[in-house]
Amino acid sequence: DTEVTQTPKHLVMGMTNKKSLKCEQHMGHRAMYWYKQKAKKPPELMFVYSYEKLSINESVPSRFSPECPNSSLLNLHLHALQPEDSALYLCASSQDDDYEQYFGPGTRLTVT
Amino acid sequence: ILNVEQSPQSLHVQEGDSTNFTCSFPSSNFYALHWYRWETAKSPEALFVMTLNGDEKKKGRISATLNTKEGYSYLYIKGSQPEDSATYLCARKYNFNKFYFGSGTKLNVKP
Repeated sequence: DTEVTQTPKHLVMGMTNKKSLKCEQHMGHRAMYWYKQKAKKPPELMFVYSYEKLSINESVPSRFSPECPNSSLLNLHLHALQPEDSALYLCASSQDDDYEQYFGPGTRLTVT
Repeated sequence: ILNVEQSPQSLHVQEGDSTNFTCSFPSSNFYALHWYRWETAKSPEALFVMTLNGDEKKKGRISATLNTKEGYSYLYIKGSQPEDSATYLCARKYNFNKFYFGSGTKLNVKP
């Protein structure tokens, strides 16, 4: 199984809502990533978990809260988002940081 | 300082044409360069991981070279096919797990 799954595919939320994005992989990968991509821009790294520990936070606002409950799961908890947070959120995993990343299909988030 | 630049932004070629595009990056503190292919409505798919100056990698009709001293990588596609139509992204690894992506080259191959 070389698949990274993400749910939901689409999410529309208001600025006062709390929601979560979910990412799952069963390849035994030890590094997992969250990226944000706005239209016509490159994916921007948000968070990296390495061996279930947060290793990189690219100065992401606290309204985004990552969580890695186990080695296969990565969540992104969203609270009090702004319309400018609307974007495609991509999850990826890799065997370790020296290896290629496997990406999920992304969650298209719209904040109203 | 951290910019990864890709050119051209888009490219239209005929089936059978060979093509190439460029990824430019700061050469200091180089760790690795990744190439990904991203087809519409699919997930980005890894093509190559390149680490050493002078690296050349090949997968079928696609190949890539790396020059870490001058800070660039080329991706070549020989005999383009319509199924090669996608956005090709490069990403530079700085340290640990930090990756910075370029904006991509969007390739359209006409039958």
